[in-house]
Amino acid sequence: GAGVSQSPSNKVTEKGKDVELRCDPISGHTALYWYRQRLGQGLEFLIYFQGNSAPDKSGLPSDRFSAERTGESVSTLTIQRTQQEDSAVYLCASSLVPGMNTEAFFGQGTRLTVV
Amino acid sequence: QKEVEQNSGPLSVPEGAIASLNCTYSDRGSQSFFWYRQYSGKSPELIMFIYSNGDKEDGRFTAQLNKASQYVSLLIRDSQPSDSATYLCAVTANQAGTALIFGKGTTLSVSS
Repeated sequence: GAGVSQSPSNKVTEKGKDVELRCDPISGHTALYWYRQRLGQGLEFLIYFQGNSAPDKSGLPSDRFSAERTGESVSTLTIQRTQQEDSAVYLCASSLVPGMNTEAFFGQGTRLTVV
Repeated sequence: QKEVEQNSGPLSVPEGAIASLNCTYSDRGSQSFFWYRQYSGKSPELIMFIYSNGDKEDGRFTAQLNKASQYVSLLIRDSQPSDSATYLCAVTANQAGTALIFGKGTTLSVSS
């Protein structure tokens, strides 16, 4: 596609429910990244995919968070048993080759609100 | 804990002036340094990155890196109202550059 696409753009969920956030990277981009941006905070790294593998999951905050990538394309970030502190904008980025040193393009994000 | 610090601002400059945005980082081993621009409600856009000490210029933007002082800055010359945004400083968290540590950002306001 023309850019990184994320869906939904907004999601309101009740505390305790599971949510799935989707990212469609730029076609051909092998590297994919998930970040979280809480209100008034900087972006926090969550996970990095190279192809369908996740060599770096160090930023996932708890075992309630998981992510997968299939077909070296679409990625899904799943948050189980959501908590209010999970409220944030979840941003996905992709790059042609690994490393943010090459230009990584961000999607518009999914704004998650847990009530 | 690796950290990136920025003054949250707002930094207010008149149109045509030079805006100077500053950033310090805690990890001496950091390799590459990035400046992103983020308009309100939008996703971050890469302005430029730098990995060698000294200055790197791209149009109206100049990034300056001083590894000894663990300091990186962004100068915007001839500031325009369209430059009003939050500027995020980021550094690589690992050698592969596959994760970045971001500062909280500095809000810049350019008045016409």
